[in-house]
Amino acid sequence: DAMVIQNPRYQVTQFGKPVTLSCSQTLNHNVMYWYQQKSSQAPKLLFHYYDKDFNNEADTPDNFQSRRPNTSFCFLDIRSPGLGDAAMYLCATSRSGNTEAFFGQGTRLTVV
Amino acid sequence: GENVEQHPSTLSVQEGDSAVIKCTYSDSASNYFPWYKQELGKRPQLIIDIRSNVGEKKDQRIAVTLNKTAKHFSLHITETQPEDSAVYFCAASIGNFNKFYFGSGTKLNVKP
Repeated sequence: DAMVIQNPRYQVTQFGKPVTLSCSQTLNHNVMYWYQQKSSQAPKLLFHYYDKDFNNEADTPDNFQSRRPNTSFCFLDIRSPGLGDAAMYLCATSRSGNTEAFFGQGTRLTVV
Repeated sequence: GENVEQHPSTLSVQEGDSAVIKCTYSDSASNYFPWYKQELGKRPQLIIDIRSNVGEKKDQRIAVTLNKTAKHFSLHITETQPEDSAVYFCAASIGNFNKFYFGSGTKLNVKP
């Protein structure tokens, strides 16, 4: 009954090699988020889509990009991963109007 | 963006005791305050939330209080059980933008 699905669960990529993480949802929520969570830290908002409108956080590096081709799918592209980008990446969805955010299981990214 | 501070970072209680976790926020436009529980290796899950037009909300052993003037909100867990052991995150969301900003987390350990 998974509602927010992230693939893959674990991703190993080489330093500087582009990588894409994916997220899909069955909730038909119009808002989708990407968070970066490093060990023992809070999830940090990278960006979110409100419907088709893309909202970037001011401190999100240019190295991070996102695509949302339709309501159900959202992608996180890391153009040139550095060692500091190793983290858990969490996708979440919610309906508009400040309601509960539902999280996926996350993708743990390792950069070698 | 919003700045959410959370204390304490770790909390150890005896089974049956109460636990209190406190958060402060910086943006007076924040109007939705969810609390998430994250067990090791699992996704964050909502346990309770409160909106800015309410001062207190209770759900069985869990309660949340909000002081808008002081810009702080707290999570109260009574009669703690070992299965309450997890990391708890507070969050604040601004206006209708559905942007969730998280506190740094509290690792709660309930000793049997």
